[in-house]
Amino acid sequence: NAGVTQTPKFQVLKTGQSMTLQCAQDMNHEYMSWYRQDPGMGLRLIHYSVGAGITDQGEVPNGYNVSRSTTEDFPLRLLSAAPSQTSVYFCASRQGGSNQPQHFGDGTRLSIL
Amino acid sequence: KNQVEQSPQSLIILEGKNCTLQCNYTVSPFSNLRWYKQDTGRGPVSLTIMTFSENTKSNGRYTATLDADTKQSSLHITASQLSDSASYICVVSAGNFNKFYFGSGTKLNVKP
Repeated sequence: NAGVTQTPKFQVLKTGQSMTLQCAQDMNHEYMSWYRQDPGMGLRLIHYSVGAGITDQGEVPNGYNVSRSTTEDFPLRLLSAAPSQTSVYFCASRQGGSNQPQHFGDGTRLSIL
Repeated sequence: KNQVEQSPQSLIILEGKNCTLQCNYTVSPFSNLRWYKQDTGRGPVSLTIMTFSENTKSNGRYTATLDADTKQSSLHITASQLSDSASYICVVSAGNFNKFYFGSGTKLNVKP
């Protein structure tokens, strides 16, 4: 199993550009989430999904869109990049059940100029 | 307000020594508490998950404790190794299982 795979690993964008961060998991997990990690702060939830076709907003959803057309894939779209979106983005997945561990990808490091 | 506070922010120890990291939380209703290890440039990896009824859980040289009355947890690392150098993140899950509250982590540096 590859686990959770995120692409790209690094990206530099100009303000106003759009892009999609890819996330794929091969563990048949129901739940998938996107987080951002900023220096000195805990991970913050952007959007999450409890199954194909079902998504919901997290703590910091503004400026981001998601969709979940398959169990495996959960892409995150930046609509019009802003410098405040410079961050490290992590995708995570887990089985259903409240005591299941989250499996994280290795992140996408995004800089907005 | 639901919060997770970790201390210290950073810690330097010598290889072979033990250390203890602290986590205090005010999350309610409590579901479970997790400790993750995050190596530089990598995603977090789960070490332990403890429910309300568990007060100790071990994973190799890592032992987590939970005091649900005082809302405190600790992660004890025994006989540290250079590979233990990482950030350790405490995460508390609330009643809604998609609500995870993350601490900002303790950065541990193990020196030879």
